[in-house]
Amino acid sequence: GDSVTQMEGPVTLSEEAFLTINCTYTATGYPSLFWYVQYPGEGLQLLLKATKADDKGSNKGFEATYRKETTSFHLEKGSVQVSDSAVYFCALSDRVGAQKLVFGQGTRLTINP
Amino acid sequence: DAGVTQSPTHLIKTRGQQVTLRCSPKSGHDTVSWYQQALGQGPQFIFQYYEEEERQRGNFPDRFSGHQFPNYSSELNVNALLLGDSALYLCASSRRGSNEKLFFGSGTQLSVL
Repeated sequence: GDSVTQMEGPVTLSEEAFLTINCTYTATGYPSLFWYVQYPGEGLQLLLKATKADDKGSNKGFEATYRKETTSFHLEKGSVQVSDSAVYFCALSDRVGAQKLVFGQGTRLTINP
Repeated sequence: DAGVTQSPTHLIKTRGQQVTLRCSPKSGHDTVSWYQQALGQGPQFIFQYYEEEERQRGNFPDRFSGHQFPNYSSELNVNALLLGDSALYLCASSRRGSNEKLFFGSGTQLSVL
């Protein structure tokens, strides 16, 4: 079945550092890919998405490019802030509006001032 | 406009008991899904409801059941609780047939002792 694998965490960086969180997937067909963020005590929030190969999703300075040849969707940000500290989840579904998402295990990010 | 609301926020049960969790979808949404998020793991899809019927189900035993009401709100029932059922249970909603993102609630933290 479909699956998502994220880089092991936790990840700790200093403010203004460059961030990469790796994500690879296994799926049949052409899934839609997502990054969700979970702040303490809050629900999951969609950070960005991409629906087809070579699409780049972006939001709040974060970016991820749908790479079908490497089945990857790595999350990047050029300069992280303390407020970016959260748990990040890579996920896929068979379409954008689908209720069934397959999530990776999550990566906890801590940014130190 | 209230988003997805879940109740209760926390719950403690003992093994063998039964539990009911509740979810009210975001205004205008008619489709609800439930996820189980174990500590340190990504959410796992339990099932999806629309038009008061279960439409899709993940790999969960029959101890997990649900219901959707005419006002689109939903309940998740778990019978014969096991220690391994301890997790954060998340509800998500969307409008059927749309390509809008899912909206997640903050979850119900269930502890089984």
